[in-house]
Amino acid sequence: ETGVTQSPTHLIKTRGQQVTLRCSSQSGHNTVSWYQQALGQGPQFIFQYYREEENGRGNFPPRFSGLQFPNYSSELNVNALELDDSALYLCASSRRGGGANTEAFFGQGTRLTVV
Amino acid sequence: DAKTTQPNSMESNEEEPVHLPCNHSTISGTDYIHWYRQLPSQGPEYVIHGLTSNVNNRMASLAIAEDRKSSTLILHRATLRDAAVYYCILIDYGQNFVFGPGTRLSVLP
Repeated sequence: ETGVTQSPTHLIKTRGQQVTLRCSSQSGHNTVSWYQQALGQGPQFIFQYYREEENGRGNFPPRFSGLQFPNYSSELNVNALELDDSALYLCASSRRGGGANTEAFFGQGTRLTVV
Repeated sequence: DAKTTQPNSMESNEEEPVHLPCNHSTISGTDYIHWYRQLPSQGPEYVIHGLTSNVNNRMASLAIAEDRKSSTLILHRATLRDAAVYYCILIDYGQNFVFGPGTRLSVLP
C-alpha cells in the first residue's frame, strides 16, 4: 500500500455540476500528477503540479483545473461536468528531483460517475 | 514521450516464469524504461525501471536489449496475484507518463 490517499473513493454527480477531488501525496514527494482512466483504457495524463505550480498539461480542456498546497497535497477541479467525464481519476506523487530515475506512487483513485 | 508497443494479452500458468515483451524503437538516450502494473480496481503499482543495464528487484527482473529498442519484464514465478494489466512506459525528466493499453496478463491455476 502506497502513502498516496485520494478522497472520496466514489462520487456521483449530475451533468453540469462541478466536482473537487483530493489527493494527499506520499511523505517527501513534491510532485503530484493527475490522470483520467476511462473503463478499459490506460490512464491519460491531465496535468502535473510541482511546488504549487502547474508543470505540464495533457490534452484536457480548461474546465479541468488543479491546485497544489504547501504541504504538497493537491486538488483536481472539474467544472461543467459532462457524461464523458465519468472515469477513474488517479493521483500520483513522486520526487521531482529524482527525475525519470525514480518511481511514482499512485493512489487508489476516485471513481466519478456523471449522470 | 516515445511510444511503446506491447501484446494486448498473455497467459501463464501459476508458478511458471512469464516474459512480457515491450518494443520501443524510437527510444531516446535519456528515456528510462519503467514498468507498472494495475490490479483490478486499484491504481497502477510500480514494478521496476532501468536505463541501459538489466535490473532485478524483489518483484521482477528487467532485461533491456543492447540497442535499447526493446525490453522484457520477467516474473520468475507467476502467482494468481500477478494477474494484472502491465504497462511499459518511457519516461524522460518530465515524468509525464504516457500509458498505452498495456498487456493483460492472465494466470491460470
